[in-house]
Amino acid sequence: DSGVTQTPKHLITATGQRVTLRCSPRSGDLSVYWYQQSLDQGLQFLIQYYNGEERAKGNILERFSAQQFPDLHSELNLSSLELGDSALYFCASSSSGETQYFGPGTRLLVL
Amino acid sequence: DQQVKQNSPSLSVQEGRISILNCDYTNSMFDYFLWYKKYPAEGPTFLISISSIKDKNEDGRFTVFLNKSAKHLSLHIVPSQPGDSAVYFCAATSKRNTPLVFGKGTRLSVIA
Repeated sequence: DSGVTQTPKHLITATGQRVTLRCSPRSGDLSVYWYQQSLDQGLQFLIQYYNGEERAKGNILERFSAQQFPDLHSELNLSSLELGDSALYFCASSSSGETQYFGPGTRLLVL
Repeated sequence: DQQVKQNSPSLSVQEGRISILNCDYTNSMFDYFLWYKKYPAEGPTFLISISSIKDKNEDGRFTVFLNKSAKHLSLHIVPSQPGDSAVYFCAATSKRNTPLVFGKGTRLSVIA
């Protein structure tokens, strides 16, 4: 158990819809990262928040947005969903080091 | 443009033998390298890391070797056990507390 929690574990929705994925970091970790893993692909970095502020942005679509709240949990919002958005979405957290600890992921299926 | 490459999609090894997983990178700014292990339906689990000031780091059955001049690192698992069967991801970053760049993974199968 990494100490990072993600909900929901599975999500099935239709094209055009909007969903919210939630992540709680390990206790004391200020950084939260979101990654996407599509079929047979490595993990692609989407966005990083540090203590409530956006720190880095990767290959995140404009239809996607995220935020980190004062209690340090984070939410990833995916809107106008397309079939190609079906993937595993992982949240990770870190303190001041290079090691990131990953949650169990949310499997999103867009039909 | 893949900055971290794991050229072997899969590897099969007999129980008790050595498993060697390889990783190449192109970005000379990378200073930290990590290996993660992933079982189906779970998130990646951190295994071992190495910084660019070292050429070897060991933790139990796991050893990571770094060859900076060749931009190559490898993970050795000795002895391999059936429970080691998983997908292994190599990742890299240039600074602490920054996003990781991942390879596509190598699926290791340890046969009893």
